[in-house]
Amino acid sequence: DGGITQSPKYLFRKEGQNVTLSCEQNLNHDAMYWYRQDPGQGLRLIYYSQIVNDFQKGDIAEGYSVSREKKESFPLTVTSAQKNPTAFYLCASEDRSGSQPQHFGDGTRLSIL
Amino acid sequence: AQKITQTQPGMFVQEKEAVTLDCTYDTSDPSYGLFWYKQPSSGEMIFLIYQGSYDQQNATEGRYSLNFQKARKSANLVISASQLGDSAMYFCAMREGEFSGGYNKLIFGAGTRLAVHP
Repeated sequence: DGGITQSPKYLFRKEGQNVTLSCEQNLNHDAMYWYRQDPGQGLRLIYYSQIVNDFQKGDIAEGYSVSREKKESFPLTVTSAQKNPTAFYLCASEDRSGSQPQHFGDGTRLSIL
Repeated sequence: AQKITQTQPGMFVQEKEAVTLDCTYDTSDPSYGLFWYKQPSSGEMIFLIYQGSYDQQNATEGRYSLNFQKARKSANLVISASQLGDSAMYFCAMREGEFSGGYNKLIFGAGTRLAVHP
């Protein structure tokens, strides 16, 4: 089955530590996205990538970094510069040929130890 | 200014009844798309229904329909015959420049929490 796989489901970060959230898709989509969701809130865009080896900052990119070395993969690193990383992180991908919806992974819940 | 407004933080509905979740949007772009997503407590985002700004008819997908009133800039989601499994957060989202071929981000509203009672 085609879809988006995010791992791990739960992640804990210590002070001063960088952590990386994985996102893999087998939908052959060019565009991929990372969102942050705080409790009771909507989704805010962190980074997006339209093609391999290219990515752009979203609305809340500070303290985060990404890479897009392969079409299927778009990992997100939460750096120690992100002082309030506790949130639910969702990865999405999209086929931009036509009016298509974004498809989402199941999310990663990140907490501070 | 907020692009997507969902004015109902929470809604209650009796099982088997219909419910309408409100969504208003703000854009000066004549080309846009409107989306509704469902987020159960487990967290995944499930796409429900799509309406393009040039679509002449309201979108329908099974028990979901979109009441699209372009002049009022509203795109309300109607769920008919509510089921207990419909209890979730519902998000309205918009993408401008829908048919331009370029990139435009998806903008989400704050969501409405729906509780279906037996």
